[in-house]
Amino acid sequence: AAGVIQSPRHLIKEKRETATLKCYPIPRHDTVYWYQQGPGQDPQFLISFYEKMQSDKGSIPDRFSAQQFSDYHSELNMSSLELGDSALYFCASSLGLAGDSGELFFGEGSRLTVL
Amino acid sequence: GEDVEQSLFLSVREGDSSVINCTYTDSSSTYLYWYKQEPGAGLQLLTYIFSNMDMKQDQRLTVLLNKKDKHLSLRIADTQTGDSAIYFCAETLNTGGFKTIFGAGTRLFVKA
Repeated sequence: AAGVIQSPRHLIKEKRETATLKCYPIPRHDTVYWYQQGPGQDPQFLISFYEKMQSDKGSIPDRFSAQQFSDYHSELNMSSLELGDSALYFCASSLGLAGDSGELFFGEGSRLTVL
Repeated sequence: GEDVEQSLFLSVREGDSSVINCTYTDSSSTYLYWYKQEPGAGLQLLTYIFSNMDMKQDQRLTVLLNKKDKHLSLRIADTQTGDSAIYFCAETLNTGGFKTIFGAGTRLFVKA
């Protein structure tokens, strides 16, 4: 079965550079969530989109922005990268808001390393 | 406030049952989840329970929910060495939108 696809799987950037992560949800899923997991930490909710509109916002820095496109894929744009942005970034998708279906599926994550 | 708490470590012998516990604070939880994460890997959804249920069983996994005490547990029967991983408890909150909050994760060690 198709899963949530994230790209790139690994990314190395230098401080002050920009990075873009992409997420392709499970087919027919219309809701996308972004999470950041630092080393040894639990995943922290960043932002979510439902039907291409922002649904909820968590601890996403102002330097980051995200959007969901008409094909439901989502991109997380990170600018002025800092060392502390080094983390595993997870995307998850669900059919409807997670409160409707109860199932939230995660991709394998994109590992960002900022040097 | 929004908070999910778990104990950080659990060690069991192969073949024994493991019980991982979680407490949460927000009563607006709709769904509660258990995810498994192996080193360097993504989050694998193990099971979830709707907040108006008190038990769910799926093969070796049993989830118990005590909504009054805001306590969730995951029991793994006949624990195997392949079950060694970090287990995250998570809750989905109805905040107007929906967002899922994770606990810090419980690292399960299975000794052969």
